[in-house]
Amino acid sequence: DSGVTQTPKHLITATGQRVTLRCSPRSGDLSVYWYQQSLDQGLQFLIQYYNGEERAKGNILERFSAQQFPDLHSELNLSSLELGDSALYFCASSGGGDRRNYEQYFGPGTRLTVT
Amino acid sequence: DAKTTQPPSMDCAEGRAANLPCNHSTISGNEYVYWYRQIHSQGPQYIIHGLKNNETNEMASLIITEDRKSSTLILPHATLRDTAVYYCIVRINMNYGGSQGNLIFGKGTKLSVKP
Repeated sequence: DSGVTQTPKHLITATGQRVTLRCSPRSGDLSVYWYQQSLDQGLQFLIQYYNGEERAKGNILERFSAQQFPDLHSELNLSSLELGDSALYFCASSGGGDRRNYEQYFGPGTRLTVT
Repeated sequence: DAKTTQPPSMDCAEGRAANLPCNHSTISGNEYVYWYRQIHSQGPQYIIHGLKNNETNEMASLIITEDRKSSTLILPHATLRDTAVYYCIVRINMNYGGSQGNLIFGKGTKLSVKP
C-alpha cells in the first residue's frame, strides 16, 4: 500500500460526458502528479501540482483540467469525453518540506471506460 | 521522448538473478538514473535510483558504468512476484516539487520470471 488513494476504481461513462477523478496523496506529501496510461501511448505525464499551485504540464488535453485543494487532495476533471480517453489514470505524490522529491508514490489508479 | 533504451522483454528463471540493462548515452551530469516497475496495471513502484555510484537496497542493486552511459538493475533472487514491466528513467533530482519533478516513462522491459 503506497498510501495514495484514488476514487473511483472503475468508471464507465458515455462519450460527451464529464467525470471527476479524485486523489488523496500520502500524508505530508505536497506534490501531486497525474498520469494517463493507455494501450497505445503508454504512461504519460499530464500535470503536477505542488501545495495547491500548478507546477508543470505535460500532454494534457484542453478538455482536461485539474486542481489541488487546501487539504492537498487533487481532482482531475475530464470533459467532452471521447472513446480515446479510455485509459488508466494514476495519481502519484511525493514529499515536500524537508523531504526529498526523488520518489513518487503511485495510487492504484482509476480505470476509465468511455463507451 | 524517453532518454533511455531498454530491451522490450526478458525472461529469468525463478531464484536466479535478473539483470536488466538500460542505455542512457545522452545522460547529463546532473541527471540521476531511476528504476520503477509496474506489476500488471497496478501503480508503478519505485525501486532504486543513483547518480554515479553503485547503489543497493532491500529490493535491488543498481550498477552504473563509469561513463554513466548505461546501467543495470539487478534483482538478486527473482521470484514470480517480480514479473512486471521495469522502467529505467533519467531525471534531474528536484526538491520540493520543482518543475522537473515528473517522470517520463518509456516502454520499459517486460520481465517474465518463470518457475
